[in-house]
Amino acid sequence: DVKVTQSSRYLVKRTGEKVFLECVQDMDHENMFWYRQDPGLGLRLIYFSYDVKMKEKGDIPEGYSVSREKKERFSLILESASTNQTSMYLCASSLGESSYNSPLHFGNGTRLTVT
Amino acid sequence: GESVGLHLPTLSVQEGDNSIINCAYSNSASDYFIWYKQESGKGPQFIIDIRSNMDKRQGQRVTVLLNKTVKHLSLQIAATQPGDSAVYFCAEKSTGGGNKLTFGTGTQLKVEL
Repeated sequence: DVKVTQSSRYLVKRTGEKVFLECVQDMDHENMFWYRQDPGLGLRLIYFSYDVKMKEKGDIPEGYSVSREKKERFSLILESASTNQTSMYLCASSLGESSYNSPLHFGNGTRLTVT
Repeated sequence: GESVGLHLPTLSVQEGDNSIINCAYSNSASDYFIWYKQESGKGPQFIIDIRSNMDKRQGQRVTVLLNKTVKHLSLQIAATQPGDSAVYFCAEKSTGGGNKLTFGTGTQLKVEL
């Protein structure tokens, strides 16, 4: 089974802090994604990556950046956390373009609270 | 704009009955669809997928039906069990959209004993 591991289940940070959310997958997947999940809004894509050192903006990239230095690891960075970034953050991975229609596999999420 | 939505936010069924969860999509270029289950405190879990060249696909106790004419997707769960209680999401991917998925907001399935 694919395993996507997010380093923290719960985080509490203060406004203005720099926050790192880490994600590791163990199935050699090319694609990795960061979503946030909010009540009534569903899952919204923040950033994704098709390969090491590659990144593309999703639907709501403002206030976030990402880093993918190794294939198995995809980090989400909040440069200066704000209260409107309080949310559940979900990391996912999937096979690459050689398997065009492949499902995303999700981690269990990091619930971030910014005070 | 394009959207993926669900008809009902909450569905209550009796244990042992069949459940049907519906999803409407508006992007006619969508060619791949997925159903996810999300239990409280966990990430979404893949259930079943279907490509647009199919009308029906079956898994273990689950069946997905795709009606491209009316842009409608449904998930049927046979003999619903208490462990099926969760939020169910549909997601779609459009041709040329790479590996990006668009998700619906979810339906809460409650199984009553």
